[in-house]
Amino acid sequence: DIVMTQTPLSSPVALGQSASISCRSSQSLVHSDGNTYLSWLQQRPGQPPRLLIHEISKRVSGVPDRFSGSGAVTDFTLTISRVEAEDVGVYFCTQGTQFPQTFGQGTKLQIK
Amino acid sequence: QAQMLQSGPGLARPSQTLSLTCDISGDYVSIKYNTWNWIRQSPSRGLEWLGRTYFRSKWHTDYAESVKGRININPDTSKNRLSLQLNSVTSEDTAVYYCVTGTRAFDFWGPGTMVTVSS
Repeated sequence: DIVMTQTPLSSPVALGQSASISCRSSQSLVHSDGNTYLSWLQQRPGQPPRLLIHEISKRVSGVPDRFSGSGAVTDFTLTISRVEAEDVGVYFCTQGTQFPQTFGQGTKLQIK
Repeated sequence: QAQMLQSGPGLARPSQTLSLTCDISGDYVSIKYNTWNWIRQSPSRGLEWLGRTYFRSKWHTDYAESVKGRININPDTSKNRLSLQLNSVTSEDTAVYYCVTGTRAFDFWGPGTMVTVSS
């Protein structure tokens, strides 16, 4: 199975500042169809996870443009610009390139 | 977009069977472009994909190695529902269980059902 490793595991950020979360996969996430199936989930306290970004950088409808994804092959980053209070929660990366789909361990975003 | 309503007991006895259902609206369990997954979350194991079912001319089902042999995922097209059965449960199966749509990404998540395995 592909192992997804996130850093940091906890990220205290001041309101209005930026936060970056790194996700590294143990194998290339480039699929034979040419796409890279790396996505990011947000889980607010007490809620189920929600899809934010898929295929590295494609924001889901309704997700603010403060959220952006980047990276390639095995190294990926989620950047949250101008952090707001509603961004508090846990962020997970996940891969859908190779069966079975796997998840990172999560990064907890807190307000400093 | 798909919406899922999950139901099932919140308590399962050790060695017994955990059974959950996921009633789907806004989409069809038999639609050819979608995949229906069960995923669980616990503090010790994080997010763990358990299995999936999908229809592409015929039904396909895949399971995680960690639960293979103990798990059954069944679609019920007459009720537009997905079910999960996990046999011979132990305390390690205590988790929040989610019904989730999506093929290469997990698009929509059900509200989750907390299941505790305890005598």
